[in-house]
Amino acid sequence: SAVISQKPSRDICQRGTSLTIQCQVDSQVTMMFWYRQQPGQSLTLIATANQGSEATYESGFVIDKFPISRPNLTFSTLTVSNMSPEDSSIYLCSVEKGAVNTEAFFGQGTRLTVV
Amino acid sequence: GESVGLHLPTLSVQEGDNSIINCAYSNSASDYFIWYKQESGKGPQFIIDIRSNMDKRQGQRVTVLLNKTVKHLSLQIAATQPGDSAVYFCAESSGNTPLVFGKGTRLSVIA
Repeated sequence: SAVISQKPSRDICQRGTSLTIQCQVDSQVTMMFWYRQQPGQSLTLIATANQGSEATYESGFVIDKFPISRPNLTFSTLTVSNMSPEDSSIYLCSVEKGAVNTEAFFGQGTRLTVV
Repeated sequence: GESVGLHLPTLSVQEGDNSIINCAYSNSASDYFIWYKQESGKGPQFIIDIRSNMDKRQGQRVTVLLNKTVKHLSLQIAATQPGDSAVYFCAESSGNTPLVFGKGTRLSVIA
């Protein structure tokens, strides 16, 4: 298994500002993922954070809006830039341990409210 | 904490009864499936998984059934308890692609 810590757990931010969310894992992992969960919705993958290279973004998400860092095998950050109320969501960090087709573990999420 | 899944379909079950939560998936190439439970204010928690070479897998009080012909997945919870109240998501993947999550179902257990 994997223990994932996310910071902050929640925040209320002013529109136009940026927030950086941190994700720390208790062991080295190859794959780290960032998801968004809008109110009343399921989880949508934002990007895959690769160690040593740029993140891979899903359709509808761009690096300028959601820059990601992955400095080592246990840590990643997601920044939500130039926020608007539409960015109010839960942001979740996830990791997979092992190779192909393995269980994904999730942090507790960061609940972001943009006012 | 604030609820997740305010607008999701809801299944209400009497405590002690069995629950069946269904999920339809769209990618016929998906070969790995997981059920997650998400309680209010928490991230998704793994319940059980199944690979496409199986049609049934049992855990403690839970059973997952996979019907590849109609691309349908179900989660059965035996003797449902109040602690089972949560939102349940199915997720699928194909090869080494990231998980794709279904819409979710809120399970409400009536004591």
